[in-house]
Amino acid sequence: ILNVEQSPQSLHVQEGDSTNFTCSFPSSNFYALHWYRWETAKSPEALFVMTLNGDEKKKGRISATLNTKEGYSYLYIKGSQPEDSATYLCALRSNSGYALNFGKGTSLLVTP
Amino acid sequence: NAGVTQTPKFRVLKTGQSMTLLCAQDMNHEYMYWYRQDPGMGLRLIHYSVGEGTTAKGEVPDGYNVSRLKKQNFLLGLESAAPSQTSVYFCASSWAANQPQHFGDGTRLSIL
Repeated sequence: ILNVEQSPQSLHVQEGDSTNFTCSFPSSNFYALHWYRWETAKSPEALFVMTLNGDEKKKGRISATLNTKEGYSYLYIKGSQPEDSATYLCALRSNSGYALNFGKGTSLLVTP
Repeated sequence: NAGVTQTPKFRVLKTGQSMTLLCAQDMNHEYMYWYRQDPGMGLRLIHYSVGEGTTAKGEVPDGYNVSRLKKQNFLLGLESAAPSQTSVYFCASSWAANQPQHFGDGTRLSIL
């Protein structure tokens, strides 16, 4: 069981603000990092899978970076919109198995 | 587009009863997973399968059994339900271990 930490636990921003949050993980066990977006009353939806140190991925206004040497990933949302309100999960796949270890998520609320 | 379908969506059981949760995917994915979601905790892996006829234990396997007799189906069984198994159960599938996981809508299970 790997300790995947996400911060902050929750975040409240105004429409138009840009925001970012962090996923920290043990760097020695890294194989891949997943980001998911989870809207209330829906199921988690995949955003990114990242495997290489220095990886940067982008999907619309959402982007992510990865630093495997220091064990962290950042998720950025540019110009937040109310429809971005969701819980954002990161999950680590270690180099010792197939399982994903999920963090507890960052809950984002964007108000008009 | 069906994707990942979980049956049933809700169920109430009495302590000691047994039941089976069904997960079906129509994407020809090799990998399938069962998670549970509890308040204040991240998604925790119960069991997973890397192909038809194979299963493996995840982080919290006790009290559950699984079977993958057909590639498209992954069954989660509770032989003797306990109140500690009250949770929301999510099934997911992926084409490969490093590919994004696709989640079902969840099964809300209450055990009295």
